[in-house]
Amino acid sequence: SDELTQPPSVSVSPGQTATITCSGDKLGSEYAWWYQQKPGQSPVLVISQDSQRPSGIPERFSGSSSGTTATLTISGTQPMDEAEYYCQAWDSSSAYAFFGGGTKLTVL
Amino acid sequence: QVTLRESGPALVKPTQTLTLTCTFSGFSLSTTGMCVSWIRQPPGQALEWLARIDWDDDKHYSTSLKTRLSVSKDTSNNQVVLTMTNMSPVDTGTYFCARTNTYDYGSGLDYWGQGTLVTVSS
Repeated sequence: SDELTQPPSVSVSPGQTATITCSGDKLGSEYAWWYQQKPGQSPVLVISQDSQRPSGIPERFSGSSSGTTATLTISGTQPMDEAEYYCQAWDSSSAYAFFGGGTKLTVL
Repeated sequence: QVTLRESGPALVKPTQTLTLTCTFSGFSLSTTGMCVSWIRQPPGQALEWLARIDWDDDKHYSTSLKTRLSVSKDTSNNQVVLTMTNMSPVDTGTYFCARTNTYDYGSGLDYWGQGTLVTVSS
């Protein structure tokens, strides 16, 4: 199955740690990428290949993967981190990409 | 500096064919490892990957939409064109193009265009 399942919403207080999960059978053998999308803006890549942080992304963003679940962690969450977060995978055998349904992170 | 910009009609009628152009700068699609994808997002909904064209002219399509999609590139003009046939109102949404540099971030999308809103209505 090429489905990636994310929780629709996650809430966190400022300064606390936010955890967003992404589950899917393909993640047992494929990497996950994570994107942040704020209202009216294009997505931004925040984590690559499970755990690599692209240049310019704050250190508070980290990623991990275990089994068929990838996890995005935001440590010391700031109000500016409030956004929709999407995971993505690439099916190497069939050569196509697919996204999770997105998680709305609320910082309150 | 890498930039991408989508262009095309804002309004198409049902059954028509949509043609979108992604014009980019700051990289070349003739460079090994470079790819351009198309992604769409219906209003208030999630991202949906549509297609990708690679530096070697390999083309990849969404399994659910591949019969309606075609992607091509014009390397000399730094453009990628997406065509989607038989448009219907459910195809309404913002269409993005985005770059992949397989040497840096694998199959991730590291630069995105601003997106173009396409409405399908009679």
